[in-house]
Amino acid sequence: GESVGLHLPTLSVQEGDNSIINCAYSNSASDYFIWYKQESGKGPQFIIDIRSNMDKRQGQRVTVLLNKTVKHLSLQIAATQPGDSAVYFCAVSGGADGLTFGKGTHLIIQP
Amino acid sequence: EAGVVQSPRYKIIEKKQPVAFWCNPISGHNTLYWYLQNLGQGPELLIRYENEEAVDDSQLPKDRFSAERLKGVDSTLKIQPAELGDSAVYLCASSLGSPNTGELFFGEGSRLTVL
Repeated sequence: GESVGLHLPTLSVQEGDNSIINCAYSNSASDYFIWYKQESGKGPQFIIDIRSNMDKRQGQRVTVLLNKTVKHLSLQIAATQPGDSAVYFCAVSGGADGLTFGKGTHLIIQP
Repeated sequence: EAGVVQSPRYKIIEKKQPVAFWCNPISGHNTLYWYLQNLGQGPELLIRYENEEAVDDSQLPKDRFSAERLKGVDSTLKIQPAELGDSAVYLCASSLGSPNTGELFFGEGSRLTVL
């Protein structure tokens, strides 16, 4: 089965700086990758996704990078704001299987 | 458009008591999921429905957990009897198709505390 891991349980950055959150997965057959944001007391909220036929995708202030060679996924958040404080999860899917979530990185924005 | 609705938001029970959680997915979403989220961890899939059929329940502890999705719309998740280790957040999610075809939308979760 799939296993998904994050490199850092906590990441602290200054407001206005860029943040990078990393994720590693184990199954080379995985073909769909999603980043979720979870604020305290709420359910996970979709941020951005990417499929295995791409290596980069951009959204509003967020970019996801996929390196299939080393099975690594990252989320970049530009010019972090206080509202970006949350726990970020990567989730990975292969075929019709359900999503496997990583443990999450808690992003802390310092004023 | 309403999102995924779950109830109750919070539930405190004593061990060995039963508990039930309810989920109403986004209208038109065929796929419904129940996830378990322990403190500081990512969500873990308990069961996935395609319409009214449970297509993946391999992680559901069937000795005490049960779920149903009558008529392929809303769903209930039941625990009987509850144990101390069941304290967690139970998340419901829905999607239009299978997990790798698009976004899963999550509800706000039902937080269970077993005393």
